[in-house]
Amino acid sequence: DAGVTQSPTHLIKTRGQQVTLRCSPKSGHDTVSWYQQALGQGPQFIFQYYEEEERQRGNFPDRFSGHQFPNYSSELNVNALWLGDSALYLCASSLAGDTDTQYFGPGTRLTVL
Amino acid sequence: QKEVEQNSGPLSVPEGAIASLNCTYSDRGSQSFFWYRQYSGKSPELIMFIYSNGDKEDGRFTAQLNKASQYVSLLIRDSQPSDSATYLCAVNLIGNQGGKLIFGQGTELSVKP
Repeated sequence: DAGVTQSPTHLIKTRGQQVTLRCSPKSGHDTVSWYQQALGQGPQFIFQYYEEEERQRGNFPDRFSGHQFPNYSSELNVNALWLGDSALYLCASSLAGDTDTQYFGPGTRLTVL
Repeated sequence: QKEVEQNSGPLSVPEGAIASLNCTYSDRGSQSFFWYRQYSGKSPELIMFIYSNGDKEDGRFTAQLNKASQYVSLLIRDSQPSDSATYLCAVNLIGNQGGKLIFGQGTELSVKP
């Protein structure tokens, strides 16, 4: 049973650049949520995708955008990176009928210099 | 006031003891409650969920929920050094369009041999 996968594992960018992170949900899951986890903090909800549409969004600026593909995989894009975007970015997958129960991928560690 | 609050710790217990982790939440509309374990440098792993008042047991873990006091806890019996990790409490709200988990900052647990 394939779990949630994310790529890349680590990424280093400079301020002002753009980044794309990728996620494939657990086999059988159709809903993907993205979270940002700063060092020493709990994850913060960015947004959730279902049926290729953003279903709800947390308190993040428009620099953060996403996409979901027909195969349920998802991308997170961040434009105009700044130092404060350095964090672990987590993808969580779930079933539309049970979005409470979310399973996290290994995460992408983004460092902005 | 933070929506979900946990003591950051570290909480230190000897091997074989009971570890007690606590979490309070501010929104009385919270309906679903989760405990995740996060090892250093890794992603959160779902270990327990609880929806109803009372206790729910799974192996060495017991989740306790008291909606009147807006309080949820996790007990770990016969603690092992391998239980040393950060434990994240998360809640989901009634009426929320599914999947937006609100996390506390986590409690670091250290189990000493």
